[in-house]
Amino acid sequence: EPEVTQTPSHQVTQMGQEVILRCVPISNHLYFYWYRQILGQKVEFLVSFYNNEISEKSEIFDDQFSVERPDGSNFTLKIRSTKLEDSAMYFCASSEKGQVHNYGYTFGSGTRLTVV
Amino acid sequence: GQSLEQPSEVTAVEGAIVQINCTYQTSGFYGLSWYQQHDGGAPTFLSYNALDGLEETGRFSSFLSRSDSYGYLLLQELQMKDSASYFCASNTGGFKTIFGAGTRLFVKA
Repeated sequence: EPEVTQTPSHQVTQMGQEVILRCVPISNHLYFYWYRQILGQKVEFLVSFYNNEISEKSEIFDDQFSVERPDGSNFTLKIRSTKLEDSAMYFCASSEKGQVHNYGYTFGSGTRLTVV
Repeated sequence: GQSLEQPSEVTAVEGAIVQINCTYQTSGFYGLSWYQQHDGGAPTFLSYNALDGLEETGRFSSFLSRSDSYGYLLLQELQMKDSASYFCASNTGGFKTIFGAGTRLFVKA
């Protein structure tokens, strides 16, 4: 079964450092997303990406965040200057269609980011 | 604002039926999804309702009433492995789906 692959599974970084989280979405999917989940809390929308540009972003996704699809397969989330409160599990997801039909989103297994 | 409300915890016995409710208030609504998440795992898509009524997928069913801004997930013949968090999620149109805070289901023997 096709899956979304995320690397690394764990990342520890010092406050103020830049991190890049990587994702390989399902190959025939056209819509890509980043979500985050602080431990024990809900899954929060960060950004969606379609046709090589951001289609929607949340208030969490401020200037320190950026996304990129550098080639035909990878989808990355960059956090420029990490803060302690950025510590969370970051999930990449992809979908075949923009609106959720009966396919839903396929999530990757996540990257646990710890900022120290 | 946009919000989805669901109970924080539900406990049920193995073999029983449990219903997890979700009420929503969103600007723009295309449908209600349900996801399962085991501890340390990724959310896994369970079902989606775009129209009013019941959708059945094996032991899981999901219901939507647009007029009441309400939906539920029904789990039948509960098994221990169903112990997980369950999230309702609303597609608000276009490129964004927002999640409720999740309901933690405990299945007891």
